[in-house]
Amino acid sequence: LPVLTQPPSASALLGASIKLTCTLSSEHRTYTIEWYQQRPGRSPQYVMKVKSDGSHTKGDGIPDRFVGSSSGADRYLTFSNVQSDDEATYYCGESHTIDGRVGYVFGTGTEVTVV
Amino acid sequence: QVQLVQSGDEVKKPGASVKVSCKASGYTFTKYGISWVRQAPGQGLEWMGWISTYNANTEYAQRLRGRVAMTTDTSTSTAYMELRSLRSDDTAVYYCARDGLSGLDAFNIWGQGTMVTVSS
Repeated sequence: LPVLTQPPSASALLGASIKLTCTLSSEHRTYTIEWYQQRPGRSPQYVMKVKSDGSHTKGDGIPDRFVGSSSGADRYLTFSNVQSDDEATYYCGESHTIDGRVGYVFGTGTEVTVV
Repeated sequence: QVQLVQSGDEVKKPGASVKVSCKASGYTFTKYGISWVRQAPGQGLEWMGWISTYNANTEYAQRLRGRVAMTTDTSTSTAYMELRSLRSDDTAVYYCARDGLSGLDAFNIWGQGTMVTVSS
């Protein structure tokens, strides 16, 4: 099964920028991933889709300060002017087909703390 | 507005079944698929499966095949997820999410979640 690797935690100063990383397993290094934000006690929310060429498509209502990018097997979510409302766990996810069967895998999530 | 509203929390005994509903509104139900995702307490997200609202095609996560069934009722714009032979490790919040119609895409709208507790 494909694996998405995320650091378990990250912190950012209020008003600063932060860059989150999601690393795909080598055989899936060209795959597209999605980013999701889950605030404490809430349902996840779709943030954006990031392709291997770095292009990205945001979900409705996602502010311009959220940007996606890519380098090799790494997919990034960068957000600037960090707000206290950005405190959440951020998951990446990827769809795939193995032996003709479709599946979806999530990374373990990065918990972002705003200080 | 576009939303998915799920049924209420459930408490079940081991070995029982649970059926969670997910009612869509604010968009054309048959233009998008529905995926189901669960989250055990304090844990990450786990994809369970997907159903096309157009032709009822399904794809299930390998570890749940044989225990899970996803259906839809297009007359009421409602999707259902039934999980059988419940175990304690099925205790989780279950989410439905709007997805691609012909295959997996981005889960761009999520329900509020349904807590299922499995306990004797």
